[in-house]
Amino acid sequence: KAGVTQTPRYLIKTRGQQVTLSCSPISGHRSVSWYQQTPGQGLQFLFEYFSETQRNKGNFPGRFSGRQFSNSRSEMNVSTLELGDSALYLCASSLAGRLNTGELFFGEGSRLTVL
Amino acid sequence: GESVGLHLPTLSVQEGDNSIINCAYSNSASDYFIWYKQESGKGPQFIIDIRSNMDKRQGQRVTVLLNKTVKHLSLQIAATQPGDSAVYFCAESSGGYNKLIFGAGTRLAVHP
Repeated sequence: KAGVTQTPRYLIKTRGQQVTLSCSPISGHRSVSWYQQTPGQGLQFLFEYFSETQRNKGNFPGRFSGRQFSNSRSEMNVSTLELGDSALYLCASSLAGRLNTGELFFGEGSRLTVL
Repeated sequence: GESVGLHLPTLSVQEGDNSIINCAYSNSASDYFIWYKQESGKGPQFIIDIRSNMDKRQGQRVTVLLNKTVKHLSLQIAATQPGDSAVYFCAESSGGYNKLIFGAGTRLAVHP
């Protein structure tokens, strides 16, 4: 069974640009979450999607957005990039239903460097 | 590999010894707790979880203890092996959704 796949694995952008990251969850998983990981702030929750609906959101500015498609694949977008957006962006999928937490399976992340 | 955290607390143990990693969580309403292991260059990997109606759960070579009175979680690893070297994170959740609040992490270094 294939794991969570994130693309691209590495990317470099400059300030002011925008970026789109992609995540393909494990087959059958309908919940997809996104996390930002930095050495200073650790792992921080960005948002979670379930059945194409954002059902939870962390404390990030509106420059961070996401969406989920009918096949459960998800994308997140960061607009007007800042130096502080440099981080490892992790996607996690879960078999959890509407009311349950469940084991999160993480991808290997997309490492974004903003210059 | 990439550095997960530059100033994480480090626990150094000898191969074969038992390891105990501690975590203080923040929300008394949290009802689900998980331990993750992260190796350099990889995403976090699930180790074991526990719900708030339990105070102990055992897996293969690992045990998680939950003390809700003092909001404390611990991970015990028996017979620690070099392959256990990684950063370990505790995480908490409440309300039945997959919004996890992660701890800062502890680096486990296993010496032969």
